[in-house]
Amino acid sequence: QKEVEQDPGPLSVPEGAIVSLNCTYSNSAFQYFMWYRQYSRKGPELLMYTYSSGNKEDGRFTAQVDKSSKYISLFIRDSQPSDSATYLCALGAGNNRKLIWGLGTSLAVNP
Amino acid sequence: DSGVTQTPKHLITATGQRVTLRCSPRSGDLSVYWYQQSLDQGLQFLIQYYNGEERAKGNILERFSAQQFPDLHSELNLSSLELGDSALYFCASSVGLGLATGVETQYFGPGTRLLVL
Repeated sequence: QKEVEQDPGPLSVPEGAIVSLNCTYSNSAFQYFMWYRQYSRKGPELLMYTYSSGNKEDGRFTAQVDKSSKYISLFIRDSQPSDSATYLCALGAGNNRKLIWGLGTSLAVNP
Repeated sequence: DSGVTQTPKHLITATGQRVTLRCSPRSGDLSVYWYQQSLDQGLQFLIQYYNGEERAKGNILERFSAQQFPDLHSELNLSSLELGDSALYFCASSVGLGLATGVETQYFGPGTRLLVL
């Protein structure tokens, strides 16, 4: 079993839809939860960063962490064609600074 | 633009050859990370350097090596190349080691696309 599982999609939604992207993990030591966005032929860029449990909101983006279920989510409200990208989750534990990455979910938002 | 630069952008070579990928971190960043990204394996962490010293090792093959120089730029050397080494290689940098928070935000370069024929 991989430490982090992420459905690669692809996910295709109409403009304005609410998008839900998810990762599950097996290591309860993870405390740091990140979402990166990667446009085609570009490097990943940090979108959201959450420590421990709870929600974090930034504009149209909301990150949720449920440590009891070992499940993290990224919600995108009022999705735009410019949100079309691959979204990768990355998890880290305090003493081990190596991030463990999901495979990424490919998202297409259609005008 | 993340401020991290990588050269070359594309590299085509033959099996058995050796190549060197170069990375310049963002100004002020002391940590450099190398990643390999392929379609089936996703983003795989290879190695991290901090201020010239190796700090963390991931799934890096023995045929691969890296170093960070006094000016903080880094090179990833790939030798005895195989078809399966074809991938995107990313360099990322961060300010430090995340001593306070445990994890540092990493800023990625545009990548080097390697094709081994």
